[in-house]
Amino acid sequence: KAGVTQTPRYLIKTRGQQVTLSCSPISGHRSVSWYQQTPGQGLQFLFEYFSETQRNKGNFPGRFSGRQFSNSRSEMNVSTLELGDSALYLCASSLTYGLAGVEQFFGPGTRLTVL
Amino acid sequence: ELKVEQNPLFLSMQEGKNYTIYCNYSTTSDRLYWYRQDPGKSLESLFVLLSNGAVKQEGRLMASLDTKARLSTLHITAAVHDLSATYFCAVDPTGNQFYFGTGTSLTVIP
Repeated sequence: KAGVTQTPRYLIKTRGQQVTLSCSPISGHRSVSWYQQTPGQGLQFLFEYFSETQRNKGNFPGRFSGRQFSNSRSEMNVSTLELGDSALYLCASSLTYGLAGVEQFFGPGTRLTVL
Repeated sequence: ELKVEQNPLFLSMQEGKNYTIYCNYSTTSDRLYWYRQDPGKSLESLFVLLSNGAVKQEGRLMASLDTKARLSTLHITAAVHDLSATYFCAVDPTGNQFYFGTGTSLTVIP
C-alpha cells in the first residue's frame, strides 16, 4: 500500500512569508504527527492530529499551526517565517492515537529553506 | 523535561566488527522505537519494543529494552557498509507523543 506522502518536497521562502505544507497519511491511518528536524535541535515534536482535532502540541510558537481534514490529510502552516525555521519537516501517520506501541510511519519530508 | 540521550553521537567502525549503541531516557516508558535515517531521506522503522526485556533481531541488528534501567541498546554484528546511516531511538511514555534521541551517526569503513 502507498506510504505517507508529503508535498512539496522542497520549498524556498524569504523571511516574513508564510508557508503551507501538506501530508497524506497511509490509507486507514487516522493520526498524523508533525516533526521539525534541524542539525542543532534534532527531531522535535510539533503537534498531532486525530479525528480532525489537535490532541497534543509541542513547544513551538503560535506561528506554527496545523489542521486535519475529514479524510485524515493534514496541513501545517508557518507564518512570518524566520531564518531559524529552515528545517526538514516530517509528517508521520499512525493507525490511532494514545495506545501503546502504535508505530509511526514517516513521510519523505519537506525541506524548507528560509532566506 | 523528558530527555533521551544516545551514545555515541558518532561512530566509525570497520566492516566485520561489532558495536553497541546506547539509548538512555529520563522517564518511565514501556515503549521504545528504533529508526534509521539515510542522508537526505526520511525515517525508516527498525524495531518496536513494548515491554521490559524485549529483544528483537533483524539481520545484523539486535535491539533490547530494559525499562527498569531506562536503557535500550542497538547491537550491530559484523558491520557492513550498507548499515551506514543515522540511528534514532524514541520513547512514547504516554502513548501520544514521540520523544527522539539525539541520533547516532554510524559510518562503516571497508
